[in-house]
Parts: sequence; C-alpha cells; structure tokens
Amino acid sequence: DAKTTQPTSMDCAEGRAANLPCNHSTISGNEYVYWYRQIHSQGPQYIIHGLKNNETNEMASLIITEDRKSSTLILPHATLRDTAVYYCIVRVDGTGGFKTIFGAGTRLFVKA
Amino acid sequence: GAGVSQSPSNKVTEKGKDVELRCDPISGHTALYWYRQSLGQGLEFLIYFQGNSAPDKSGLPSDRFSAERTGGSVSTLTIQRTQQEDSAVYLCASSLGPGQGQEYFGPGTRLTVT
Repeated sequence: DAKTTQPTSMDCAEGRAANLPCNHSTISGNEYVYWYRQIHSQGPQYIIHGLKNNETNEMASLIITEDRKSSTLILPHATLRDTAVYYCIVRVDGTGGFKTIFGAGTRLFVKA
Repeated sequence: GAGVSQSPSNKVTEKGKDVELRCDPISGHTALYWYRQSLGQGLEFLIYFQGNSAPDKSGLPSDRFSAERTGGSVSTLTIQRTQQEDSAVYLCASSLGPGQGQEYFGPGTRLTVT
C-alpha cells in the first residue's frame, strides 16, 4: 500500500499558486519524498524530491514540515498545462530491491 | 538525449492470445521497472530489474505475466493467454540505479484485449 495520503482533487486559478498537500505520517528517517505528475495519456514525469530541507527547482518548490510527516508541492504560477494527476511518494534512496508504490494522487484542475 | 522508449504504442489482441511488450531504457540506467495503469486508476507496480540481480517479481498479478531483461538493457514483458482484465496501459521506467534519483518513464503501451 502507498504510504502517503493526498486529496482526491483540487482546483486552481490560472496564474495563481497551486499548493498540493501530502500526508506521510509514517515516513522513516531515511525515506525521501518524491513528487511526480501525469498529464493525460502520458507517462509520469518527475517534478522534485527532498529529504528534510525545502527544495526548489525550475518546476516547483517542495516544503517539508519539520517533523517530516507532511509536505506541500507548490507550483508558483499554475498554467492550464499543469492540469494533471500529482503523485506524492516516499521511498528510500540508494538501496536495492525496492519498488515505488504510487497512490491515487491528486487530480489538479487549473482553470482559466 | 533519448528517453525511455516502448513499443508498440498500441496493441489490440484477442482474448487468449499472447502479447509481448518491449521497453528500451535510457542508456546507462541499471534499474528498470514495469507498471500497469488501468483506466482511471493509479500506477500498479509489476516488476523491477536491477543489474544482474534477480528481479523483484512481487507485483506480477498472475503466472501468465513474465518479464525478462537481456544484457542489462532491453526488457520484454510477456502476457500469455490474455484476458480482458489485462487491458491497461503498461508503463516502463528506468533509473540510474536502485532508488538513485528519479525514474524516467516511457510513453507506455496501451493494450486492449477484445
């Protein structure tokens, strides 16, 4: 089973920030938080990942709470093309024999 | 550079026939994964290859499903005696190594069993 819980769906106005929450209350100390998204009819696309510090790249920012039990993916200026299903995943990096378990994700609708 | 490629992009087959789905990972990636995604559902893990180690087959839904990876590169997912419930998009992904960074996904193969 997935180790994360996310809202089923969210709406966001175009040009506004989209804040997607994820709960991972059972995360272990050596597990990273990864975010992927899947635009309709395409394979999932990596967005960002982090361990305990906040991270930012050209696509998004990742805010991880101090206790690491939850995180928020922020798309600073959402566009219509950001409409997709967003998956939050926790997993251990650098070890063998693991598999990434994807939950149901959050369906983000960006509206004009 | 080239990403993960999969073929065919679409496959329609009759119930009871065997199908083979192919995945070409990114060159140099030692880890390769197969997932299945049914319509409107999330991704379901099927199998994971890492180098020459024995694959993690824990996600394969039945003994009709098998996969191999030749030479540590190309992988083939085989479904024998296909059933209608096998209809789904089959996604392949690769990464540098076990859990090293992100997985890069291919476009998927849409399998329809009639």
